[in-house]
Amino acid sequence: AAGVIQSPRHLIKEKRETATLKCYPIPRHDTVYWYQQGPGQDPQFLISFYEKMQSDKGSIPDRFSAQQFSDYHSELNMSSLELGDSALYFCASSRGAGARTDTQYFGPGTRLTVL
Amino acid sequence: GDSVTQMEGPVTLSEEAFLTINCTYTATGYPSLFWYVQYPGEGLQLLLKATKADDKGSNKGFEATYRKETTSFHLEKGSVQVSDSAVYFCALPLNSNSGYALNFGKGTSLLVTP
Repeated sequence: AAGVIQSPRHLIKEKRETATLKCYPIPRHDTVYWYQQGPGQDPQFLISFYEKMQSDKGSIPDRFSAQQFSDYHSELNMSSLELGDSALYFCASSRGAGARTDTQYFGPGTRLTVL
Repeated sequence: GDSVTQMEGPVTLSEEAFLTINCTYTATGYPSLFWYVQYPGEGLQLLLKATKADDKGSNKGFEATYRKETTSFHLEKGSVQVSDSAVYFCALPLNSNSGYALNFGKGTSLLVTP
């Protein structure tokens, strides 16, 4: 079965650079979530989109922005990178606007290292 | 917001031992509850879920029952294997009234030795 695809899988950047992470949801899934997992930490919700509109916002820094495109893929844009942004970034997708039974399926993550 | 608290690890067990990882929740309503597993170097995989009180989620020999009276969703397995070594996260929607982004517990690391 098709899964959530994230690219790149690994990314190394310098401080103050920018980075773009991409997420391709499972076919027919219209909702995308972004999470950040620091070393040894639990995943923290950043932002989500449903039908190309932002649906919920978590602890996303102002330096980050994201959007969902007409083909439902999503991109997380990160600017002025800081050392503390080094983390595993997960994308998850689900079908529907959000219901108590919806299951989120996670991608393998993008490991971002900021030097 | 709604949250979960799970037991701290690491938990080390011998193969074929019984596993319990405790998870309790705080919520204004009755949210769906989830267990996710993260194997070393990999992403999060849904292990099981329960959507209402008294529901039992099960998968791969793991079970968890949604208990409203004790606000708990403990994960159990009767006989663990070395391949079960991973980090286990209990989770629920951040806010049961709107949006279904997940709020995760701190994770419990499990190591199963031969």
